[in-house]
Amino acid sequence: QSALAQPASMSGSPGQPITISCTGTSSDVGAYNYVSWYQQHPGKAPKLMIYDVSNRPSGVSNRFSGSKSGNTASLTISGLQAEDEADYYCSSSTSTNTWVFGGGTKLTVL
Amino acid sequence: EVNLVESGGGLVQPGESLRLSCAATGLAFSNYAMGWVRQAPGKGLEWVSTMSGSDGRTYHADAVQGRFTISRDNSKNTLFLQMNSLRAEDTALYYCAKYRGYWPGWTFDIWGQGTMVTVSS
Repeated sequence: QSALAQPASMSGSPGQPITISCTGTSSDVGAYNYVSWYQQHPGKAPKLMIYDVSNRPSGVSNRFSGSKSGNTASLTISGLQAEDEADYYCSSSTSTNTWVFGGGTKLTVL
Repeated sequence: EVNLVESGGGLVQPGESLRLSCAATGLAFSNYAMGWVRQAPGKGLEWVSTMSGSDGRTYHADAVQGRFTISRDNSKNTLFLQMNSLRAEDTALYYCAKYRGYWPGWTFDIWGQGTMVTVSS
């Protein structure tokens, strides 16, 4: 049950797009289309942003999108805004009936 | 509106036990799988345990297998986590979360605010 690999930190300017990667294995990310992404602001609970690779829950901005290729999933935020500054975590179901999270990416909006 | 409220956290010594509870409102509780996720201070999210809605299936992370037990009382809309033989590395904020979707695509969609567990002598 090793954590999925994410960059520890990323930064971007307002209005720019940014893509966060999430790399796993053929037993998790590559096994199913069940990758999800969470946003967490300091001191707050995580919030679901993307599920099943590319689906947005009701109320999540369409600036957030997800994709997957092989064992790597990606979260793209188009047009960065100040309120997007947060920690982002990917997660996946696995072929061994467990769930795994990524190590998290701290996103800074410059 | 779905609301999850955790309780039962606290300060315990290594080797001791603790039972966390999660009270759920605003949903047909028995229809949904539920789980626990923890976050050590300054660290990332770690899946801990999961339980199906009504058929009793349970799953635990290797790090807690044999020490933690997840259970639920659907008549009281409450999820539990019995934690035995606690270790310093179990120190974390424990979140209760509801799943959406269908097996094996369960995804956490609603989270509580968490209850803090500190294991220290």
